[in-house]
Amino acid sequence: AQKVTQAQTEISVVEKEDVTLDCVYETRDTTYYLFWYKQPPSGELVFLIRRNSFDEQNEISGRYSWNFQKSTSSFNFTITASQVVDSAVYFCALSDASGGSYIPTFGRGTSLIVHP
Amino acid sequence: KAGVTQTPRYLIKTRGQQVTLSCSPISGHRSVSWYQQTPGQGLQFLFEYFSETQRNKGNFPGRFSGRQFSNSRSEMNVSTLELGDSALYLCASSLEGRTEAFFGQGTRLTVV
Repeated sequence: AQKVTQAQTEISVVEKEDVTLDCVYETRDTTYYLFWYKQPPSGELVFLIRRNSFDEQNEISGRYSWNFQKSTSSFNFTITASQVVDSAVYFCALSDASGGSYIPTFGRGTSLIVHP
Repeated sequence: KAGVTQTPRYLIKTRGQQVTLSCSPISGHRSVSWYQQTPGQGLQFLFEYFSETQRNKGNFPGRFSGRQFSNSRSEMNVSTLELGDSALYLCASSLEGRTEAFFGQGTRLTVV
């Protein structure tokens, strides 16, 4: 069975601080996909990134970066120089192609609060 | 390109009533999934539809049902509402063969 653990329930930082959101996953599949989504107060989940299990390259997109390590089953997300607009709940998710579709299992989310 | 549209945004219903929520996917997306989000249980998968057929189902009672139309729009229905059904219901659509899903803003259902 798949499982995603986001141990940090809430993180509070001051603007311009760097912050890392942790994600640890469990799966018995060799092919799987990892995701990060952002949920602002408006409610919708905004897709941020997808990583497949064969690609351990780290990725950087502006102030966002992701560190995927299969050896520790982790897919951590770092925001550099945080801004107030980054305040949201962030979800890590895991899926495989069982049943012909990719139904993700979500972690419980980490609420990030960035203070001005 | 328009995103995923869910209607209504907010609903208040009484215990025992039934409710229908609607989801219009992104144009060209034929897969539609529904999720329930509550503070206690987090995000839980309800079901997925593809080409008018239910392809996957989560662990929810039969009071929760859904359907998909030929234009890929989807509805979910909850009958005999219980207080515990109060939640944010999110719909997501995706392209066939693609892993990332795109979500709507959700319908916040309150059962009183």
